[in-house]
Amino acid sequence: EPEVTQTPSHQVTQMGQEVILRCVPISNHLYFYWYRQILGQKVEFLVSFYNNEISEKSEIFDDQFSVERPDGSNFTLKIRSTKLEDSAMYFCASSWDRVKGGYTFGSGTRLTVV
Amino acid sequence: KQEVTQIPAALSVPEGENLVLNCSFTDSAIYNLQWFRQDPGKGLTSLLLIQSSQREQTSGRLNASLDKSSGRSTLYIAASQPGDSATYLCAVMDGATNKLIFGTGTLLAVQP
Repeated sequence: EPEVTQTPSHQVTQMGQEVILRCVPISNHLYFYWYRQILGQKVEFLVSFYNNEISEKSEIFDDQFSVERPDGSNFTLKIRSTKLEDSAMYFCASSWDRVKGGYTFGSGTRLTVV
Repeated sequence: KQEVTQIPAALSVPEGENLVLNCSFTDSAIYNLQWFRQDPGKGLTSLLLIQSSQREQTSGRLNASLDKSSGRSTLYIAASQPGDSATYLCAVMDGATNKLIFGTGTLLAVQP
C-alpha cells in the first residue's frame, strides 16, 4: 500500500536554529499538508499546499514557517528560528482530493527544541 | 467553529469484549469523517473513511457509523485483542474551512 514517508524520525535542535522536515507524499496525490501534535494535545492543522502554492494556513503558521516542493517528489517544512514551543510531532499528509479523499499520514517527525 | 469531542477519553477492557468509541462534532456540514489509530509516539494510521452521504463503513472487525444530522459517529470494535491497544482519533473534514479537524482521542487498553 502506498505510504507517505517522513524524515528524520527524530530531530533535536537548539533554540534559534533552522530545521527542515522532509516528506515524500504518495505519488499520485495532489494535495499536501502539515499537521502537528504537541505532547498530550490535539492534532492541529498547519498548512495545505496545492499546485505549488499554499492554499490554506493556520494562525500557527507564521513567518517563521515555510513550505516548499523543491522537486516532483519532496515536500518540506522549514522552521527558520526554532522556539521551545515548536517542540512537537510534525505530521505530513497527502490526499488525491481536497475534501472527498481521505488523508494518508506519514509516521511523523518528533522535533525537540532545547 | 467546528469542535470534535471523543468519549470516553480512556477505556480499559478485557480481551474478547466488543466495544464502542464515540465521536461527536458540533457542525453537521462535513464532507467526510475519518477514524485513525495512533500507537504511542507513532504516526496516524487511517482505519475507516465515511463520506457524508454514507451511513457506515466496515473493515474486518471494525465498523464505523455516521449520523451527520445529529453530529455523531461511533467506532465499533468486535472481539477486541491486546494488539488493538492504541489511541483512536476521529477527524471530520469541515465544510466551512475545508480542514481536517481532530478530536482529542480515546486511549484504549485491551487487557490479555
